[in-house]
Amino acid sequence: GDSVTQMEGPVTLSEEAFLTINCTYTATGYPSLFWYVQYPGEGLQLLLKATKADDKGSNKGFEATYRKETTSFHLEKGSVQVSDSAVYFCALRLDSGNTPLVFGKGTRLSVIA
Amino acid sequence: GAVVSQHPSRVICKSGTSVKIECRSLDFQATTMFWYRQFPKQSLMLMATSNEGSKATYEQGVEKDKFLINHASLTLSTLTVTSAHPEDSSFYICSARDSAVGAGELFFGEGSRLTVL
Repeated sequence: GDSVTQMEGPVTLSEEAFLTINCTYTATGYPSLFWYVQYPGEGLQLLLKATKADDKGSNKGFEATYRKETTSFHLEKGSVQVSDSAVYFCALRLDSGNTPLVFGKGTRLSVIA
Repeated sequence: GAVVSQHPSRVICKSGTSVKIECRSLDFQATTMFWYRQFPKQSLMLMATSNEGSKATYEQGVEKDKFLINHASLTLSTLTVTSAHPEDSSFYICSARDSAVGAGELFFGEGSRLTVL
């Protein structure tokens, strides 16, 4: 079945460090890809998305590029801040109809000053 | 923007009692809502797809008699955990999409943390 695999955490970085969280997927069709962020005690918020190959999603300094050839959607940020500390989920969804998201296991990021 | 609201955000109950969690779309109509369960330090597992006016579709391994889902209107879905036990303690999250938007974003509620004593 469809699945998402992302690097296991936790990831601990110093402020202003470069962040990469790897995400790869397996899907029977051509999914849309997403990164969601969950801050402590809160629900999920969409961080960025890409709907087709070579699309780049970006938001709040985070970027991810839809790579069909490597079935990847790695999340990157050039300079992390303490406020970026959260759990990050990579997810996919097939088609635009009433289909649910399939999530990776999440990666906890802690940024220390 | 679109908002999905869950209530209650936290609930503590005794073993054997039932708990109802509400999921509301505040400014859009949703013919379909999804219920997820999140275990500590783990991902969100889809429990069921809630369809307005019809029966929910449950994922394999989810007991439909244990987790009752009712989607009585286009803005409200409820999840009732019946005869709750400590192993049902978890974080439950709903999500919904604006039915009027063809490729609309899925919005998530704030989540409901259930603790069964």
